[in-house]
Amino acid sequence: EPEVTQTPSHQVTQMGQEVILRCVPISNHLYFYWYRQILGQKVEFLVSFYNNEISEKSEIFDDQFSVERPDGSNFTLKIRSTKLEDSAMYFCASSVSGYEQYFGPGTRLTVT
Amino acid sequence: DQQVKQNSPSLSVQEGRISILNCDYTNSMFDYFLWYKKYPAEGPTFLISISSIKDKNEDGRFTVFLNKSAKHLSLHIVPSQPGDSAVYFCAATESNSGTYKYIFGTGTRLKVLA
Repeated sequence: EPEVTQTPSHQVTQMGQEVILRCVPISNHLYFYWYRQILGQKVEFLVSFYNNEISEKSEIFDDQFSVERPDGSNFTLKIRSTKLEDSAMYFCASSVSGYEQYFGPGTRLTVT
Repeated sequence: DQQVKQNSPSLSVQEGRISILNCDYTNSMFDYFLWYKKYPAEGPTFLISISSIKDKNEDGRFTVFLNKSAKHLSLHIVPSQPGDSAVYFCAATESNSGTYKYIFGTGTRLKVLA
């Protein structure tokens, strides 16, 4: 069964460094998302991406964040200058129609 | 921002019995709802969905009920199995927005006792 994959599974970085989280969505899906979950809190929407552009972003998704689909298979989330409060599980999700969204296993980002 | 609420943080059920997980929402524009199951250190796994044009959707042991007037949905698992032990999230979206941004509840930890 096709699934969303994410790399790395765990990323440790120092405050102020740039990180890129990678996702390979399910191949025939058209809608792509990033969500995050800070430890002990709920899953929060970050950004949605469709037709090679951002369709919506949350207030969390400020100028330090960017997304890209560079080659038709990967979908990346870049954090330009990480802060301590960026430490969280980051989940990529994809969908054929937008309705049912399938999540990857997540990347645990630890900012020290 | 508590647009989607799961008021029971945990629930314990005997194997073979029914598990009922509840979810309330406040935004009347929400018209599509999902339930996810999540094991520790894994991503949410999609379980079942329901559109606001229906009041029930069934898939095997899982049934979701939607009461639009009460802004309430519930997930029934019958019969419950030990492998169902996980955290369950409901999520809601306003499909007219076109972006399908889901708002998640805080989750209910289900423990099925053998």
